[in-house]
Amino acid sequence: EAGVAQSPRYKIIEKRQSVAFWCNPISGHATLYWYQQILGQGPKLLIQFQNNGVVDDSQLPKDRFSAERLKGVDSTLKIQPAKLEDSAVYLCASSLGGVRGPSYEQYFGPGTRLTVT
Amino acid sequence: GQNIDQPTEMTATEGAIVQINCTYQTSGFNGLFWYQQHAGEAPTFLSYNVLDGLEEKGRFSSFLSRSKGYSYLLLKELQMKDSASYLCAVIGSNYQLIWGAGTKLIIKP
Repeated sequence: EAGVAQSPRYKIIEKRQSVAFWCNPISGHATLYWYQQILGQGPKLLIQFQNNGVVDDSQLPKDRFSAERLKGVDSTLKIQPAKLEDSAVYLCASSLGGVRGPSYEQYFGPGTRLTVT
Repeated sequence: GQNIDQPTEMTATEGAIVQINCTYQTSGFNGLFWYQQHAGEAPTFLSYNVLDGLEEKGRFSSFLSRSKGYSYLLLKELQMKDSASYLCAVIGSNYQLIWGAGTKLIIKP
């Protein structure tokens, strides 16, 4: 089975510019997650979708970050405008959608490494 | 607040055994995951515990004590490829996954 796809793998932008990341989850996975991971830290959940609805976006900086999951399949995460502190790896993950047990296991994409200069 | 504590870094010798501890304080508990993350790569699933006790899977085992808010990951017969970060994550009361900062494991020949 194909894994979680993300693009681009790397992106370098200047502060105040905009950037968008794309994620295609594993087929059939209802739940999709966007994480921000700063070097040496654990992943920080930005937003969680169940199908095309938002389950949790409490840690998403909504003044500059936005995400959508149209049609409940692939998703985009946008940053506008970017700040230096947004430099991180942005991970997309998906799961079958259960809240516990094997169906909750999250499968991660390769991530997008963003550098803001 | 909700908190997960893991040692920042550990060093072990190839062929030896190492135990990585994780303690958690969360408002609820619905399961605990261990993930492995090699440098520059995405996390990959290792184990899931929801009941007390030891779950064994090949060279890796994971233990959970819910009353103590404690888990450990045990790695046996260490290989150089086991050099990675190991992340502990807890499913809290609202079913959100709470992640620890990870333990960087360095394996020496």
